[in-house]
Amino acid sequence: DAKTTQPPSMDCAEGRAANLPCNHSTISGNEYVYWYRQIHSQGPQYIIHGLKNNETNEMASLIITEDRKSSTLILPHATLRDTAVYYCIVRGLNTGGFKTIFGAGTRLFVKA
Amino acid sequence: NAGVTQTPKFQVLKTGQSMTLQCAQDMNHNSMYWYRQDPGMGLRLIYYSASEGTTDKGEVPNGYNVSRLNKREFSLRLESAAPSQTSVYFCASSTETGATEAFFGQGTRLTVV
Repeated sequence: DAKTTQPPSMDCAEGRAANLPCNHSTISGNEYVYWYRQIHSQGPQYIIHGLKNNETNEMASLIITEDRKSSTLILPHATLRDTAVYYCIVRGLNTGGFKTIFGAGTRLFVKA
Repeated sequence: NAGVTQTPKFQVLKTGQSMTLQCAQDMNHNSMYWYRQDPGMGLRLIYYSASEGTTDKGEVPNGYNVSRLNKREFSLRLESAAPSQTSVYFCASSTETGATEAFFGQGTRLTVV
């Protein structure tokens, strides 16, 4: 599975969009980009995933660059409850499951 | 909806003691996983079970053993606890190892003194 690079922390004002970047320059053609988040002391929670097209669900949007070497998770209207660590993970759909190490992620602070 | 349930939530052990962390899921998932998370760090895979009757080592298996008791339950055993095993342990499950989404339990906070 490809490695990812994320900034260690970011701030966002409540009600504004939070844009969390992830670099995955070694991604291969069959690998998906996944985002999870972990709210303090809880287990990680799935947010969204995508291959090459932009994706949107009720929680967030995922923008993947055309060369697929980077992506951005967008929380359109961040709330205080979105304060969490966000993990960007790259893995193949059928390559041994969730054996990927969840790295340090990005700690997002949403401020009132 | 229970999802993935871990017991206990908290545990303090003395060095050398043994214990088993329990995990059960009610989603009829085939695959289950054990991770540990140290302060300020991400999750590291200890062991996983792709399906009932199979187990495989993850990234950090030393000092641990696992048992896939049945489809629902996957336990993690520390035979002789060490202070280096102080961590938060998470169990997770997914429909298959290639599934889109994994579901995590709420964690077990273990302290070894």
